[in-house]
Amino acid sequence: KAGVTQTPRYLIKTRGQQVTLSCSPISGHRSVSWYQQTPGQGLQFLFEYFSETQRNKGNFPGRFSGRQFSNSRSEMNVSTLELGDSALYLCASSLRLAGMENEQFFGPGTRLTVL
Amino acid sequence: DAKTTQPPSMDCAEGRAANLPCNHSTISGNEYVYWYRQIHSQGPQYIIHGLKNNETNEMASLIITEDRKSSTLILPHATLRDTAVYYCIVRPQTSGSRLTFGEGTQLTVNP
Repeated sequence: KAGVTQTPRYLIKTRGQQVTLSCSPISGHRSVSWYQQTPGQGLQFLFEYFSETQRNKGNFPGRFSGRQFSNSRSEMNVSTLELGDSALYLCASSLRLAGMENEQFFGPGTRLTVL
Repeated sequence: DAKTTQPPSMDCAEGRAANLPCNHSTISGNEYVYWYRQIHSQGPQYIIHGLKNNETNEMASLIITEDRKSSTLILPHATLRDTAVYYCIVRPQTSGSRLTFGEGTQLTVNP
């Protein structure tokens, strides 16, 4: 079974631009979560989607948004990029939203550099 | 989610057991203990989880104390590839998939 895939793997943008990252979950998984990892703040939860609806949101500004499609694939968007948005963005999928067997499986991440 | 405390770093000799401790003294009755690890520049990898009984899988064993205030992840025969940051996380099974990561323990396995 294929794992979680994220595209692109690396991205360089300049301040003020916007960026869209993509995540394909493990086949059959319906929950997709996004995390940001920086050296200073560590791994921080961004948001979670299940059945095309945002179910949970972390403490990030509105410039960070996401969506989920009917095939469970997800995208996240960051508008008006700032230098501090440089980070590894990780996507994780799980079988269901809660209950048993909702262990999360992470993708390799997208390394975003904002210049 | 309950806060966890882990040592920032540990060393282990290759082939020996690695025992990684985690304190979670404020854990609630419905919160599970999860362990993930992150090898440098890769996404975190699920290892194991448990509620109150000890658990074992092909990767590791999880020992939870009777009062559930602490736990130990055991890698029975550590290899160089087990060098990673190990995260202990506690959360309710019904809270959705959100994981709150602390700083974890950097385990270095030495030859």
